[in-house]
Amino acid sequence: RKEVEQDPGPFNVPEGATVAFNCTYSNSASQSFFWYRQDCRKEPKLLMSVYSSGNEDGRFTAQLNRASQYISLLIRDSKLSDSATYLCAVMPSARQLTFGSGTQLTVLP
Amino acid sequence: GAVVSQHPSWVICKSGTSVKIECRSLDFQATTMFWYRQFPKQSLMLMATSNEGSKATYEQGVEKDKFLINHASLTLSTLTVTSAHPEDSSFYICSARVLAGVLNEQFFGPGTRLTVL
Repeated sequence: RKEVEQDPGPFNVPEGATVAFNCTYSNSASQSFFWYRQDCRKEPKLLMSVYSSGNEDGRFTAQLNRASQYISLLIRDSKLSDSATYLCAVMPSARQLTFGSGTQLTVLP
Repeated sequence: GAVVSQHPSWVICKSGTSVKIECRSLDFQATTMFWYRQFPKQSLMLMATSNEGSKATYEQGVEKDKFLINHASLTLSTLTVTSAHPEDSSFYICSARVLAGVLNEQFFGPGTRLTVL
């Protein structure tokens, strides 16, 4: 079983739609969780950290469910500019990040 | 956020040659840097963890004699792909970790696209 698993998609949604991505992790001792955005042929950029209480940043909401070992990212009112690959990342301890395979999102006009 | 640079941004080389990639933290000191490799439509795979002043820690399946890592200072780590072959063609990305209080974040360089002919 992979340490971090994501649905690769692709997700093709119309502008204005709400879309949600999930990511499961296998190491119950994981301490830190993140969502990254990666545009084609670019490096990943941190979108948001994921906190136990859930957190929101504008149209983006991230949640963590430790009991079920998954994190989620919700994008509301999607824009064309949201088209990218979204990577979840888990830090098992104060060590390196482990990335999921990424979920490709295309927002259609 | 903190800035990490990589050089070169892309390189094309002949099979059998060696290629050196530099990763620099521009406005902070990074005791730990990470090297990742990403093949098309795949995720980032950690290759090694580079610690300043000590030997790098390689992930399983990564040949340390082929991928030489040097972390000579708090702002510079280098990855040398020795005797490169076409299967080494990939997107190589470094990141540097900032540990400050509760902040534990990694900042990524822009990546180096290596094509081996």
